[in-house]
Amino acid sequence: DIQMTQSPSSLSASVGDRVTITCRASQSISRFLNWYQQKPGKAPKLLIYAASSLQSGVPSSFSGSGSGTDFTLTISSLQSEDVATYYCQQNYIAPLTFGGGTKVEIK
Amino acid sequence: EVQLVQSGAEVKKPGESLKISCKGSGYTFTNYWIGWVRQMPGKGLEWMGIIYPGDSDTRYSPSFQGQVTIFADKSITTAYLQWSSLKASDSAMYYCARPAERSFLGAPGFQHWGQGTLVTVSS
Repeated sequence: DIQMTQSPSSLSASVGDRVTITCRASQSISRFLNWYQQKPGKAPKLLIYAASSLQSGVPSSFSGSGSGTDFTLTISSLQSEDVATYYCQQNYIAPLTFGGGTKVEIK
Repeated sequence: EVQLVQSGAEVKKPGESLKISCKGSGYTFTNYWIGWVRQMPGKGLEWMGIIYPGDSDTRYSPSFQGQVTIFADKSITTAYLQWSSLKASDSAMYYCARPAERSFLGAPGFQHWGQGTLVTVSS
């Protein structure tokens, strides 16, 4: 199985801050990397697919980059509504695997 | 509008069997894979497996192979996750999810999600 490692596991930042979350795959997954946002008590929501493509309806404050084994999710200006846990997921090969998640809070 | 509607919360005892469901609507059910994801209390997302209702092709994560059964009834556009003998460690929220496109590998992610089914296993 491909292991996905996210860092940090949690972070606290101020409104308006730039926030960066990283995800590393245990082997190359090309650009087959998706990012999801999960708010408490809710189902996950797709934010970014294919490493850098913004899902329809997602604010442009979210962006993704990377290829191969190293990927990044960036929130350019953190807002209170961005408080959530963020997960990366590879869909390069089965079994699909998720990162451990990054919990984002407001300072 | 694509919708995945899951069955309601369940409370079971260890050793009991259980089947939870995920009903798809608003699209051609047989043309898209449906996957299952586990989330244990306070923990992250775990991909369990996926089924293609068109031909019942099913893939399991090794961690869940033999522990659960995934199947679908295309006549009623519903996918299922089944346990034959529950354990306390099966207590979790379970989500079904559908990819944005017909493939689940290399496709633009899981765009559609059910609301989740909470399973509690306790003596």
